[in-house]
Amino acid sequence: AQTVTQSQPEMSVQEAETVTLSCTYDTSESDYYLFWYKQPPSRQMILVIRQEAYKQQNATENRFSVNFQKAAKSFSLKISDSQLGDAAMYFCAYRSGQGAQKLVFGQGTRLTINP
Amino acid sequence: EPEVTQTPSHQVTQMGQEVILRCVPISNHLYFYWYRQILGQKVEFLVSFYNNEISEKSEIFDDQFSVERPDGSNFTLKIRSTKLEDSAMYFCASMRDRGQPQHFGDGTRLSIL
Repeated sequence: AQTVTQSQPEMSVQEAETVTLSCTYDTSESDYYLFWYKQPPSRQMILVIRQEAYKQQNATENRFSVNFQKAAKSFSLKISDSQLGDAAMYFCAYRSGQGAQKLVFGQGTRLTINP
Repeated sequence: EPEVTQTPSHQVTQMGQEVILRCVPISNHLYFYWYRQILGQKVEFLVSFYNNEISEKSEIFDDQFSVERPDGSNFTLKIRSTKLEDSAMYFCASMRDRGQPQHFGDGTRLSIL
């Protein structure tokens, strides 16, 4: 079974600085997707960014970018120019390209933005 | 932008009672999911539903749980006889097609007394 590990339960960063959240995963599959979801205190699950495993280019969405290292099974999220609204729980998630395509989530990293 | 909607936002139920959580997925989506998140823990997969049948379910999804898409628009999760440990946030998600991202609703907070 696939597993996702986020080794940083909490992170903090100064407003306007850059922060990187770590994620590693374990799989024997070659066809899969990786995601970062943001969960603010309201507890919605908001998609931040996605990466297809077959794509070598790292995904980018405005201030959010990933460092996808397929051989190392690592998928970190970099947030540039951190804003107060970025404060949330961030979950890394894996999804197989086969079968029901359920999401397997990591334990989450709570990100605090210091003004 | 279309959204997944879930009702109610908060449900309080006595232990042993039946509860139905409701979801309206995005209208052209074909794949439907329920996840749950116990307070302070990670999000866990419960069940996936496609083509009017369950495509996969987790160990959590035992005989007390069932899902239904009764009218082509709603997607419901029923817990027949609730336990204290069923207290959690329940998220519905839908996906248009394979390879597309899943879109989540805002969740239903279920509290079992």
